[in-house]
Amino acid sequence: GQSLEQPSEVTAVEGAIVQINCTYQTSGFYGLSWYQQHDGGAPTFLSYNGLDGLEETGRFSSFLSRSDSYGYLLLQELQMKDSASYFCAVRDRSWGKLQFGAGTQVVVTP
Amino acid sequence: DVKVTQSSRYLVKRTGEKVFLECVQDMDHENMFWYRQDPGLGLRLIYFSYDVKMKEKGDIPEGYSVSREKKERFSLILESASTNQTSMYLCASSVPGTSGGLPYEQYFGPGTRLTVT
Repeated sequence: GQSLEQPSEVTAVEGAIVQINCTYQTSGFYGLSWYQQHDGGAPTFLSYNGLDGLEETGRFSSFLSRSDSYGYLLLQELQMKDSASYFCAVRDRSWGKLQFGAGTQVVVTP
Repeated sequence: DVKVTQSSRYLVKRTGEKVFLECVQDMDHENMFWYRQDPGLGLRLIYFSYDVKMKEKGDIPEGYSVSREKKERFSLILESASTNQTSMYLCASSVPGTSGGLPYEQYFGPGTRLTVT
């Protein structure tokens, strides 16, 4: 079957670093994406890894190891506005269909 | 900026009613998607469309149908609403994908929270 596993919740203080892991088992693999969703809002794209390695976008970085079917999203210098749900998603076909994980709720405390 | 709009933010319907959820995107995207989002289950794909009048079932199509008569508009239809279809419904669009390194980012609408009583 197809599955993506990520932790359900992570809590950290402002200024800290949080790593959200995602392991996947899918029938095809063309890349791993991360989306952020604030309460009541729409999911928005954060980052994408099509190849192994680290991608950095400001305070956020994403990593992929295709041989391990594993990736992570790293949130640095946490801010209160980073409190949100974060979803990993696998593009399992060439034309853009995504399989989403259940999401990780990140709670940032003062 | 890409804009994806959905016809209603909140909707309350009765069991057995036919329900139409409308989605419009303004970026000339070929791909459009309908998801439902439930706590602890993430986003689950109901149907997608990769061109006008073309559609394919996603992971949970039962009880739903779709219509795409124009490129910018993708409708989700609940033929006979049931209480287990109470959920948040999200529409998304993207450019078509080909094998390669581009993210083919999906752009989401604000969602419709449907309650079936």
